[in-house]
Amino acid sequence: NAGVTQTPKFQVLKTGQSMTLQCAQDMNHEYMSWYRQDPGMGLRLIHYSVGAGITDQGEVPNGYNVSRSTTEDFPLRLLSAAPSQTSVYFCASSLGGSGNTIYFGEGSWLTVV
Amino acid sequence: AQSVTQLGSHVSVSEGALVLLRCNYSSSVPPYLFWYVQYPNQGLQLLLKYTSAATLVKGINGFEAEFKKSETSFHLTKPSAHMSDAAEYFCAVSDVYQGAQKLVFGQGTRLTINP
Repeated sequence: NAGVTQTPKFQVLKTGQSMTLQCAQDMNHEYMSWYRQDPGMGLRLIHYSVGAGITDQGEVPNGYNVSRSTTEDFPLRLLSAAPSQTSVYFCASSLGGSGNTIYFGEGSWLTVV
Repeated sequence: AQSVTQLGSHVSVSEGALVLLRCNYSSSVPPYLFWYVQYPNQGLQLLLKYTSAATLVKGINGFEAEFKKSETSFHLTKPSAHMSDAAEYFCAVSDVYQGAQKLVFGQGTRLTINP
């Protein structure tokens, strides 16, 4: 009953460091995405993927990379962390299609100092 | 493009009182609407969703929401608040972004329950 699993849950980075947030889902969903949550702004789409080998940019992609080598995994890479990337990151998956439920992971709290 | 507005970033009610969280949407097509709840330091959990079937949608934990097309609203209600309902609530509308599904979220409403 895992659903969407994200690691790590908490991370502190220094400015300029790189890191990868891991995301895996076991529901055989084709569609996966990454959002960031900032106070008073709801969630904003960073990158998304509609299937293995296919990724595209969302609304706020700068400073992030993604890849989708398998249906299950969708890691998010911070290339050179900046304080503006301090946020809560959520991975999500769904079957795709406008009416389908999007399932979210537990979130990753990232602080860049 | 779709958009969502949640009226009131903070709502406070007494235990046992009615909970009403407001959500208005803007959509050029019949919308799919969602309410998610986020408990402290946790992820988002789906409360309920509207997908053009019944206009009154019942969700988990005693919550329900009514879709009103004439008012472009999808307000969330619960007749009697419990302490465990304290959380942040997000209204969202489904949109298509470059051919793929995405959710457009409101700013969120933090619900506080007073004993």
